[in-house]
Amino acid sequence: GAVVSQHPSWVICKSGTSVKIECRSLDFQATTMFWYRQFPKQSLMLMATSNEGSKATYEQGVEKDKFLINHASLTLSTLTVTSAHPEDSSFYICSAGQGTKRGFGPGTRLTVT
Amino acid sequence: GENVEQHPSTLSVQEGDSAVIKCTYSDSASNYFPWYKQELGKRPQLIIDIRSNVGEKKDQRIAVTLNKTAKHFSLHITETQPEDSAVYFCAASMVQGAQKLVFGQGTRLTINP
Repeated sequence: GAVVSQHPSWVICKSGTSVKIECRSLDFQATTMFWYRQFPKQSLMLMATSNEGSKATYEQGVEKDKFLINHASLTLSTLTVTSAHPEDSSFYICSAGQGTKRGFGPGTRLTVT
Repeated sequence: GENVEQHPSTLSVQEGDSAVIKCTYSDSASNYFPWYKQELGKRPQLIIDIRSNVGEKKDQRIAVTLNKTAKHFSLHITETQPEDSAVYFCAASMVQGAQKLVFGQGTRLTINP
């Protein structure tokens, strides 16, 4: 299979603080991980693509200094939302891929108050 | 880059009837077209996919057709059941697996008993 976990499943933080979300591939080594953001009743929008050991590639309009991505190993990628604001409240979903395998994490609901 | 358009945004059908969701894509280099079902607050789940060397694929009540010349593909669900109610997303990618997926806008399907 292509089992992917994500932690935490939900988090509430105060405006101005930072939040880290972890994405792990459990039964395969992910050469590539993707981070998506999904606002209510909208589609999954790709934020960035990360390859193990190299810098992430961000989609147009996504601030790389605000959304820090680290893919230090073949089974773990992290997304840190820095200086979070209420407009960053969203559902964040990671996806991990290797060869023809791809799995999605269960998502993290971030609420910034 | 790739752009995927999906229609309709909402679809309501009677239980037992068929449902059809259509997508078009812009990048002729795309070769892999998966369909995902997403329930509220959950991760997207792959329900069927098709590669560009195939025109049609069927799995029980679900089928997907692809017209690579016209750059469009469709999801067909027959004999719909209440548990088919969910949001469905089409997507496109250059290859299956470790390549970024671009999603359509989504279709909220409601099956009326």
